[in-house]
Amino acid sequence: SQQGEEDPQALSIQEGENATMNCSYKTSINNLQWYRQNSGRGLVHLILIRSNEREKHSGRLRVTLDTSKKSSSLLITASRAADTASYFCATSRGGLTFGKGTHLIIQP
Amino acid sequence: NAGVMQNPRHLVRRRGQEARLRCSPMKGHSHVYWYRQLPEEGLKFMVYLQKENIIDESGMPKERFSAEFPKEGPSILRIQQVVRGDSAAYFCASSLYSGGRTDTQYFGPGTRLTVL
Repeated sequence: SQQGEEDPQALSIQEGENATMNCSYKTSINNLQWYRQNSGRGLVHLILIRSNEREKHSGRLRVTLDTSKKSSSLLITASRAADTASYFCATSRGGLTFGKGTHLIIQP
Repeated sequence: NAGVMQNPRHLVRRRGQEARLRCSPMKGHSHVYWYRQLPEEGLKFMVYLQKENIIDESGMPKERFSAEFPKEGPSILRIQQVVRGDSAAYFCASSLYSGGRTDTQYFGPGTRLTVL
């Protein structure tokens, strides 16, 4: 099975609500990163959290990391229509290992 | 400061032809990574290169695929004798550092390869 599996696979919420996505991984990591991909485009780096960090914030984003459970979560607060995209977590050992992503749809 | 550049953005090839995909990393970056994305899937790591060296090619198919990152010029991903299954989006990324350090990878817009 894959390193870096996101859950849920798809999420549809109303604008203004919070969106939470989870990621699980299997091997030890140096850091974990979250990326966003708009349909058919390249990936945009959102946030990196190191293995010795438990929580990190960037604007409306909040990422947590639990190395004992090998899991991470990405919270987007006060969602906007422009947040509609696919979100991927990735673990790093040189090249990045991605999951299949969570497809987030924000309904206006 | 230009980001990662890839060209062409779209490439159409017939079965058996060769495909050459180019990637120019961000200025100052000496680490380049290639990924492949099939429809409705996440990106799959293919190869990691530094200038003139292949560091990790564990994700590269054993045949028909090769990559290089010469001292001068862009990184090239080369696919020989393409087959329909090679149709995908190919993304390049670059980073300033690698490994356990702060190795944020910056992605290019991708090359969409279609094999007829």
